[in-house]
Amino acid sequence: GENVEQHPSTLSVQEGDSAVIKCTYSDSASNYFPWYKQELGKRPQLIIDIRSNVGEKKDQRIAVTLNKTAKHFSLHITETQPEDSAVYFCAASRGTYKYIFGTGTRLKVLA
Amino acid sequence: SAVISQKPSRDICQRGTSLTIQCQVDSQVTMMFWYRQQPGQSLTLIATANQGSEATYESGFVIDKFPISRPNLTFSTLTVSNMSPEDSSIYLCSAVQGGLYGYTFGSGTRLTVV
Repeated sequence: GENVEQHPSTLSVQEGDSAVIKCTYSDSASNYFPWYKQELGKRPQLIIDIRSNVGEKKDQRIAVTLNKTAKHFSLHITETQPEDSAVYFCAASRGTYKYIFGTGTRLKVLA
Repeated sequence: SAVISQKPSRDICQRGTSLTIQCQVDSQVTMMFWYRQQPGQSLTLIATANQGSEATYESGFVIDKFPISRPNLTFSTLTVSNMSPEDSSIYLCSAVQGGLYGYTFGSGTRLTVV
């Protein structure tokens, strides 16, 4: 069945450094790829998304890139701050509005 | 984006009992979903809550165990029936508005079955 692999499972970076999280999807029909940030005890929040007709999207310190041929997409966070510490989930669309989520990456930004 | 209120926020229940979780959206939404998230794990789709008709369940989830209602475009309930400790998890509702793709999630219900 369709799945989304996400790496790494944990990531520690020094404050100010960049962080990169990578996801690979299997369903060639997937055309929408959101990223969610989930702080401890809180709900997942959409932070950025990308559609299959775009190769890259940026919003301030975060950016997402998509390689449709290789079926992988990545989240890039620059100039990391302690408040970026959270679990990040990638997802790939499956049909209309249904998403398959990756396994999550726990990001720790060390001050 | 829509604001979703979910309740209860947490509950501790005896095995064999049932719990109904409510999800209220502050505006009409196209679609509503119910997810389960085991502690420290990813999100797994339980079902799509269809307005005015039976929910559409994902593989591994059945209506007898997780009956869902969606009487209108802003409200849905999920019942976890005949609970066992394996049902201990966080249950989240989500919604998407027409023209937008990203979900908004409810605040979640942390269920512990003892």
